[in-house]
Order: sequence, then structure tokens, then C-alpha cells
Amino acid sequence: SQQGEEDPQALSIQEGENATMNCSYKTSINNLQWYRQNSGRGLVHLILIRSNEREKHSGRLRVTLDTSKKSSSLLITASRAADTASYFCATARVVGSQGNLIFGKGTKLSVKP
Amino acid sequence: GAGVSQSPRYKVTKRGQDVALRCDPISGHVSLYWYRQALGQGPEFLTYFNYEAQQDKSGLPNDRFSAERPEGSISTLTIQRTEQRDSAMYRCASSLAAVSGNTIYFGEGSWLTVV
Repeated sequence: SQQGEEDPQALSIQEGENATMNCSYKTSINNLQWYRQNSGRGLVHLILIRSNEREKHSGRLRVTLDTSKKSSSLLITASRAADTASYFCATARVVGSQGNLIFGKGTKLSVKP
Repeated sequence: GAGVSQSPRYKVTKRGQDVALRCDPISGHVSLYWYRQALGQGPEFLTYFNYEAQQDKSGLPNDRFSAERPEGSISTLTIQRTEQRDSAMYRCASSLAAVSGNTIYFGEGSWLTVV
């Protein structure tokens, strides 16, 4: 079964606005990863946050992790039309190994110019 | 090549035929992974290798699915006697190692349609 569950399933915003996506998971983790998938393209790793971190930044991306609530959020600031994509969180089925990642169903983000 | 390369990109096959999907990982990457992704869903783990050794095949749905990586580089995912429910995108990925924290690089996938 899928461990990572993102919400909302779909999000539509105007260019320049911020987009926030959430992810919940069920078991213990070493880290949580976020990926982006453009339509018809490959899956691209965006950012990894370790279980002992609460917040991490990368450019316009901000990820938070709350291990007590088993949840994470991905914030994209000052969104652009090029940010239109599906975003997935992923956790490892076995702590310490990422041989077997569990992905959620994703949040489909649409940024309108 | 610079990234993970998969072939064919698109494959249409008749039900009952066998198909082989190829993955060429990033040079030097020890770990290679196969995932399957249905439309509107996230990727679903199938199997992974360290070098030529298959470490975990718990995600292979049944015995019609098999994978190999005989020389620890290129991998082939084979589906025998294909069924319509096998239609999906099959994604290959690689990383330096399967240890937590290593970035996993995905290929652009092979779209399989079984008619």
C-alpha cells in the first residue's frame, strides 16, 4: 500500500503565488524525499530532508518535516508556469535503505500565467 | 550517457507477447531500480539491484515479471505473456548506492501498452 499520501490531489494557482503541498506517512523514517514529474517526462529529485531536520531550503523550495505528526510539507514560493507538474513525496520501506521507496499518489500543481 | 537511458520509450504489444525493457544506468552507479507507474498514480517499486545481485524483488507482481543485471550495468525487465493490466510506464533509476541519502536519478521511462 502507498505510505506517502499527498494532499491536495490537485492545486491550481496564479503565477507569483505560493504553493503548499502536504505529505503524510505511516512508519519510521531516516529521511523523506520530494520529487517532481513534468508531464510526460522523467521523475526529478528535488530535495531530501533527514529525520533530525525540521526545515530545509533549496532556492524557492522550502520543506518542513514533523516526525511527531508523520507529515511533511513542500512550499514553492513565487511560483512560475514552469513549476506546473506533479509532486510526490517518498519514504523508504526499510529504514536506512532506499532500495525500496514508497511514493504517494502526488499533488498535481497547475500554475497559470 | 549523462543520465539514465531507457528503451524503448514506447512499446505497443499484443496480449500474450513477451516484452523486454532495457535500462542503461548512469556510469558507475552501483544501485539500479525498477518502478512501475500507472496513470494518475505514484511510482510503485518492483525490484532493485546492487551490482549484479538482485537485492529485493518483493514488488514484482507475479512470476511473469523478471529482471536481470548480469554484468552489473545494463538491466532488462522482462514481462512474459503480457496482459492488459501490465500497461503502464516502467521507470528505471540508479544511484551510487542504495544507502539512505543517496540521490536517485530516474530515466524518462518506457510506456508499455498491451492491446
